[in-house]
Amino acid sequence: EVQLLESGGDLVQPGGSLRLSCAASGFTFSSFAMSWVRQAPGKGLEWVSTVSGGGSGSYYADSVKGRFTISRDNSKNTLFLQMNSLRAEDAAVFYCAKTQTTGTTLGAFHIWGQGTMVTVSS
Amino acid sequence: QLVLTQSPSASASLGASVKLTCTLSSGHSRYAIAWHQQQPEKGPRYLMKLNSDGTQSRGDGIPDRFSGSSSGAERYLTISSLQSEDEADYYCQTWGTGIWVFGGGTKLTVL
Repeated sequence: EVQLLESGGDLVQPGGSLRLSCAASGFTFSSFAMSWVRQAPGKGLEWVSTVSGGGSGSYYADSVKGRFTISRDNSKNTLFLQMNSLRAEDAAVFYCAKTQTTGTTLGAFHIWGQGTMVTVSS
Repeated sequence: QLVLTQSPSASASLGASVKLTCTLSSGHSRYAIAWHQQQPEKGPRYLMKLNSDGTQSRGDGIPDRFSGSSSGAERYLTISSLQSEDEADYYCQTWGTGIWVFGGGTKLTVL
């Protein structure tokens, strides 16, 4: 069974840092692009970042560019999101998601994790 | 600019059908999209990928009560034989080189 399990969400002060993880199982992790999507309280889904299967290509939403870094460890089937200079508006549930099609970053997010909550407050 | 537009809300009666709409921005009418469902207090669930020609591929375990169709820049999700558990938020998603976009979501109420 394909599964994604996020962790690392916490309460952090504005300006602080946090690292999220997403443990993947049930598929050949290195063959698929992976993404982070967030949802602020009471709001819709917002794409945050995507990394290619091999890890060489990464993409970011303008709202997080320069502050967040996506990475992956294919030997451990784990996706990461390093978040620096956190702001109040970054508070959200963060989901990791697997792209549907192997060998490309393009495509639907067809497997989702259960999410991990990030709270940014002093 | 790649943008998806959805109506904020929709409603239909138990057992009836409802058709939700997702509109692609100008110049992007041939893009494929995906539909996702998010039930209250749950994470999103992939429903289907929908191409511009109307061909679709449902996710594992998604009943055929959920179907998609396309017309120009419009992408539709039709849910038939509505059940109480269909009350949820529905998001469309699309993608281009270096960008992934979600619509604002439609909150479906089952009366």
